[in-house]
Amino acid sequence: NAGVTQTPKFQVLKTGQSMTLQCAQDMNHEYMSWYRQDPGMGLRLIHYSVGAGITDQGEVPNGYNVSRSTTEDFPLRLLSAAPSQTSVYFCASSYSRSGSSYNSPLHFGNGTRLTVT
Amino acid sequence: QKEVEQDPGPLSVPEGAIVSLNCTYSNSAFQYFMWYRQYSRKGPELLMYTYSSGNKEDGRFTAQVDKSSKYISLFIRDSQPSDSATYLCAMSGVLTGGGNKLTFGTGTQLKVEL
Repeated sequence: NAGVTQTPKFQVLKTGQSMTLQCAQDMNHEYMSWYRQDPGMGLRLIHYSVGAGITDQGEVPNGYNVSRSTTEDFPLRLLSAAPSQTSVYFCASSYSRSGSSYNSPLHFGNGTRLTVT
Repeated sequence: QKEVEQDPGPLSVPEGAIVSLNCTYSNSAFQYFMWYRQYSRKGPELLMYTYSSGNKEDGRFTAQVDKSSKYISLFIRDSQPSDSATYLCAMSGVLTGGGNKLTFGTGTQLKVEL
């Protein structure tokens, strides 16, 4: 049982390049989400999904796309990278479709550290 | 003004000390309050979860919620070097079928010295 797996661990991009951050979970969780963590800003929700085929925007969705074709995978796509997207990105999942709850806490991956030059 | 305010620290204490970590918030709709622990270069992991006001104890950890003051605390007794981490508070409103979005504090960095 690997939990939430994120790849790659580190990535450097040039402005304007595109890339996909991968996230996979093996816990059969309905809810999956992407956060970015920046100094002084805390964790901010980018996009989330309550099940395969269903996605919605979070607090900071601009510049990012997501899709959820399977329960296990929730990739995050950067369409045209900008220096403002330099951050640590975390994928998180939980059993409940409502997201985090008492019996269904958020499980986080170990993050992807992205630098855009 | 941020919805959730948390002192970033760093906070340095000697081993065995009692640690107090705090968050204040402005949204009166928040009902679920959590504390996450994040070790360096790792993802956050849930430490404590409380609903509404009151106290909850789990081993050396105690979480307190005072909704009237919009203030939550995490106490760590007999602190250990292994407690050195960043502690994030998080909170949310009523659970909904559309995804229960958490609002996180910025985290307090704690170092427990030998």
